[in-house]
Amino acid sequence: DVKVTQSSRYLVKRTGEKVFLECVQDMDHENMFWYRQDPGLGLRLIYFSYDVKMKEKGDIPEGYSVSREKKERFSLILESASTNQTSMYLCASRDRDYSPLHFGNGTRLTVT
Amino acid sequence: AQSVTQLDSHVSVSEGTPVLLRCNYSSSYSPSLFWYVQHPNKGLQLLLKYTSAATLVKGINGFEAEFKKSETSFHLTKPSAHMSDAAEYFCVVSHSGGYNKLIFGAGTRLAVHP
Repeated sequence: DVKVTQSSRYLVKRTGEKVFLECVQDMDHENMFWYRQDPGLGLRLIYFSYDVKMKEKGDIPEGYSVSREKKERFSLILESASTNQTSMYLCASRDRDYSPLHFGNGTRLTVT
Repeated sequence: AQSVTQLDSHVSVSEGTPVLLRCNYSSSYSPSLFWYVQHPNKGLQLLLKYTSAATLVKGINGFEAEFKKSETSFHLTKPSAHMSDAAEYFCVVSHSGGYNKLIFGAGTRLAVHP
């Protein structure tokens, strides 16, 4: 089975801090994704990576950046955390187009 | 434009009764369709997928879905609900061309009562 591991289940950070969310997948998938999930807004795509060092902006990239130095690892970076970035963050990977996404268990981030 | 509509935001059933979660999509192409389940404070887990093979798709935990092109629907069903089925369910459409073709429905929250 594909395993997507997010390093933290819960994080509490202060406004202005730099925050790193880490995601690792073990199936050599090309594509990796970061979503945030908020009540009433569903899942929204932040960034997408289709290969090492390659990335594309999703629907809501403002305030975020990403890093993919190795195929198995995709990091989401909040350069200066703000309270409106309090959310559930979900990482996912997939092999190719038409393949299903495989999700991690999520990181619930609270910014105070 | 492509879209996914989950017709019910909340569904409530009694344990042992059938489950029906409705999903309609619009697409100019032949889509791949997926159903995911999310339990509280967890990630999304794939229940089943349709990728242009058989129109009736069987998934995990007794769920199945039928692709009906004429009705542009992909409804999720289960003959007999179990308490552990209580969760949120998402219908997702995927087209060729990368990330921006993954479209998530708003979700349906399923409650199962004893």
